[in-house]
Amino acid sequence: GESVGLHLPTLSVQEGDNSIINCAYSNSASDYFIWYKQESGKGPQFIIDIRSNMDKRQGQRVTVLLNKTVKHLSLQIAATQPGDSAVYFCAEYRRWSSASKIIFGSGTRLSIRP
Amino acid sequence: SAVISQKPSRDICQRGTSLTIQCQVDSQVTMMFWYRQQPGQSLTLIATANQGSEATYESGFVIDKFPISRPNLTFSTLTVSNMSPEDSSIYLCSVGDANEKLFFGSGTQLSVL
Repeated sequence: GESVGLHLPTLSVQEGDNSIINCAYSNSASDYFIWYKQESGKGPQFIIDIRSNMDKRQGQRVTVLLNKTVKHLSLQIAATQPGDSAVYFCAEYRRWSSASKIIFGSGTRLSIRP
Repeated sequence: SAVISQKPSRDICQRGTSLTIQCQVDSQVTMMFWYRQQPGQSLTLIATANQGSEATYESGFVIDKFPISRPNLTFSTLTVSNMSPEDSSIYLCSVGDANEKLFFGSGTQLSVL
């Protein structure tokens, strides 16, 4: 079936370096994608989103890139800090008729080396 | 963003019993969802809680096992019925705003013995 998936389950990054988390999706009709951060013991927290009419969007220290040709998106975190340690999920917004829902990918755990 | 309160935050239950989880939002919201997150895994959508009508369940989830109520635009409950150890998980309430952003409560950590 259609899915949103991640390339790597874990990522270890040196503090201060940039982090890149990748995600592949299979539903070519999807037009809205969201990245969430989940810290231990908490619910997912919205980071940044992007619509399919864009290929790049920047936030504070984060950038999301969308490549519709290969159905791939990535989250880039600049100057990674210890507080960035978490699990990151990409999610796909699906809508049909009058309903809508958000489907989550499998997640990448980001750990920061001092 | 909406503030979502979920109760209980955690519980330990005996198999065969049922637990009702409450979700309260500080503002009226149209979209309200229940997710399950099994240990070390991603979030799986259980159902969309529809105000004034029956919930819309995803494949693999049924009303008899996970009955949902949504009496108004600020409140919903999810019941996990006839629990087994396989139901041990985190259950998360979420709401969508007008911009289609989804916000989450802190979840209910359920352990079934």
